Amino acid sequence: QSALTQPASVSGSPGQSITISCTGTSSDVGGYNYVSWYQQHPGKAPKLMIYDVSNRPSGVSNRFSGSKSGNTASLTISGLQAEDEADYYCSSYTSSSTPHFGTGTKVTVL
Amino acid sequence: QVQLVQSGAEVKKPGASVKVSCKASGYTFTSYGISWVRQAPGQGLEWMGWISAYNGNTNYAQKLQGRVTMTTDTSTSTAYMELRSLRSDDTAVYYCAREFGIAARLRTDYWGQGTLVTVSS
Repeated sequence: QSALTQPASVSGSPGQSITISCTGTSSDVGGYNYVSWYQQHPGKAPKLMIYDVSNRPSGVSNRFSGSKSGNTASLTISGLQAEDEADYYCSSYTSSSTPHFGTGTKVTVL
Repeated sequence: QVQLVQSGAEVKKPGASVKVSCKASGYTFTSYGISWVRQAPGQGLEWMGWISAYNGNTNYAQKLQGRVTMTTDTSTSTAYMELRSLRSDDTAVYYCAREFGIAARLRTDYWGQGTLVTVSS
């Protein structure tokens, strides 16, 4: 199965809101509510930011929110901060009973 | 506190095997699964597979079937990932991650520090 499609890069100024899309098919994003989002800073392990489309793990800022419409999931970061500059990956469960990741998005804070 | 501590970096020749360990602490090992994820230099994340620490059930990525084996040792709360017939494109940082829930959904809330595996002749 092909990786989920994400924009290569998204940028915004401090305080703004940005949205990262994650497009799949009815066999993954559209078919299951098992979409997760990860943040990865250079040289670090990924960090879970959202699971099951819109749930935030304990300790994750409420500036991060997730949603889904059809075959596309989205991660919104509101009140953008310098520390949000990182790579972001979505993932989804699939009809093959396995999960896969998106292509990744580099977020730049201008 | 929950910690996953992985074994150190490895350098292997093409055709060899590597076994990476992931020692868990700070939680009941058998109540969660472990997913393994790798990241080639400058590339994205790739899910490799999952193992239930409760009953040893596994689920592997299709492209790695036949080359990868994931196991656990509940007596030491350690998970292992062995990859055989190594190729240069297996060069990557390999991560273990605690998976909550009963199956591989990439709902992974704690990650190891990563283990760099370099495959080179």
